[in-house]
Amino acid sequence: EVQLVESGGGLVQPGGSLRLSCAASGFPFSSFSMSWVRQAPGKGLEWVASVKEDGSQTFYVDSVKGRFSISRDNAKNSLYLQLNSLRAEDTAVYFCTRGWIQPYHWGQGTRVTVSS
Amino acid sequence: DVVMTQSPLSLPVTLGQPASISCRSSQSLVTSGGNTYLTWFQQRPGQSPRRLIYDVSNRDSGVPDRFSGSGSGTDFTLKISRVEAEDVGVYYCMQGTHWPRTFGQGTKVEIK
Repeated sequence: EVQLVESGGGLVQPGGSLRLSCAASGFPFSSFSMSWVRQAPGKGLEWVASVKEDGSQTFYVDSVKGRFSISRDNAKNSLYLQLNSLRAEDTAVYFCTRGWIQPYHWGQGTRVTVSS
Repeated sequence: DVVMTQSPLSLPVTLGQPASISCRSSQSLVTSGGNTYLTWFQQRPGQSPRRLIYDVSNRDSGVPDRFSGSGSGTDFTLKISRVEAEDVGVYYCMQGTHWPRTFGQGTKVEIK
């Protein structure tokens, strides 16, 4: 059974940093691109970033370019999202998803709150 | 960026009646290889999104056949033939053809 379990969320002050993790299991992790999608409170879904199977290519939504960094460790079956220079508008639940075209598997999400 | 525009944003439906959601993209979603990466998701209250339809019209395993997707190019539709109580939630379209990936605003389906 495919499982994606996010962790690392929490309360952080504006300008602060967090590192989100996604532990994957039940499938050959190194064979799949991976993505992060977020959802602000009461709002819709927003694609944030994606990474190729071998980590050689990454893509970001403009609003996070230069502040967020997606990476993966295929030996650990793990996906990461480094969040720097956080702003109030980054407050959201962050979902880990398998794939970068039409993601089927989603995690339960980890909540990030940016507030002083 | 490709803008995905859904309508309506709110859809009150009587149980057993049909429902239809439109999704329009600001650019064609047809790839150079001839694929069209238009996906529909359902998000029930308090849950993660669930993929219902991929490649415009292919229903995922376990998705009831009352759900169907259609369309081409820039104009797409999700239909529910007879709405059931468990269909309450927000429905999103998403394009996977262009970077950055983009979602529609969401359509909230509720029972009248």
